[in-house]
Parts: sequence; C-alpha cells; structure tokens
Amino acid sequence: EPEVTQTPSHQVTQMGQEVILRCVPISNHLYFYWYRQILGQKVEFLVSFYNNEISEKSEIFDDQFSVERPDGSNFTLKIRSTKLEDSAMYFCASNRANEQYFGPGTRLTVT
Amino acid sequence: AQRVTQPEKLLSVFKGAPVELKCNYSYSGSPELFWYVQYSRQRLQLLLRHISRESIKGFTADLNKGETSFHLKKPFAQEEDSAMYYCALSNYGQNFVFGPGTRLSVLP
Repeated sequence: EPEVTQTPSHQVTQMGQEVILRCVPISNHLYFYWYRQILGQKVEFLVSFYNNEISEKSEIFDDQFSVERPDGSNFTLKIRSTKLEDSAMYFCASNRANEQYFGPGTRLTVT
Repeated sequence: AQRVTQPEKLLSVFKGAPVELKCNYSYSGSPELFWYVQYSRQRLQLLLRHISRESIKGFTADLNKGETSFHLKKPFAQEEDSAMYYCALSNYGQNFVFGPGTRLSVLP
C-alpha cells in the first residue's frame, strides 16, 4: 500500500539557520498538508496546499514558513530562520476523499 | 471557531473492560468527524470516520449532533489498543482540526 514518506527522520539545526523538510505524498493525491506537534502537545495544522498554491494556513504559518512543490513528487516545508520554539515533530499528510494519510514525521530540534 | 476537545489526557482500563474516549467539538456547520490513532513509534493513522459508520478493531463512534459529541467506544479493551487517540474534524476539504489527544493504557 502506498505511503507518505518524509525525510529526514530527525534534523538538528542551530537557531537562525534555514531548514527544509521534505515529503513525498501519495502519488494520486491532490491535497497536501503540514502539521506540527510540539512535544507533549496536540497536533496543530500549519498549511494546506492544492493546485500548486496554499489553500489555507494557520496563524502559526507566518512569514518564516513557506511550502513548495518543486516537482511532481516532493512537497517541502521551509523554515527560513529557525527559533528554539520551532522544535517539534512535523508531519506531512496527503488527502484523498477527505481522508488524511500521514507521513512518519520529521523531528526538528533547534539548539 | 472550530474546536475539538478531549477531556481526558490519560485513560487507563483493564483488559476486557469497556472503554470510552470522549470527544466534543464546536463548529458552525456540519463537519466530518474522525478518530485517528497513533501506536508507539508509528505514524498517525485513520481509525474511523463518522460517515462510514464502520466498526474498526471493535471500535465504534456515533456522531451526536445535539450534544456535539463523537465519543469512541469499545466494549472489551485489548492490550494492543494502548495508543494515543486523536479526535479530529474537517470542513470537507479544508483544514483538519485535531483534539489534544487521549492516551489509552490497557492494563493486563
């Protein structure tokens, strides 16, 4: 069964550095999402993406964040200048028939 | 505003006992409701959704629009049911809103 994949599984970066988190959604899905889960807290919606543009974003998704689908398979989340509070698990998801399929997550640690 | 609440952070039951994980929501329209489960060291995965009205792994959930609830139930808990359970709502194609999650621990 096809799955959403994410790389890397763990990323450690210094405060102020740029990071790019990568996701490969399921191939025939059209909606893509990024979520964040700070340790011990709930899963929070960041952004949804459809037809090569952002369809909705949350208050968390400020100017430091951007998403891109650079080719037919990858879906990336960029954090321009990381802050300590960006440390979290970041989950990618793709959607078909209003069902979310989640990736395994990338643990981002900002030091 | 869309909101999902799960009042219990942790729920512990003994194997074979009934279990109910509570979920309440607030939403102005008619959302779709889901339960997602996250087993230890695994990804979030869909357990069930209200429109399918299925029973998955013995779990059921009924949408009560009057009480704006979507509680998850299982008559006889198994040790392998131990996991984090997240209730979520969707406004059909837009963003998903997740509850804070309930950790279910099924004791032997």
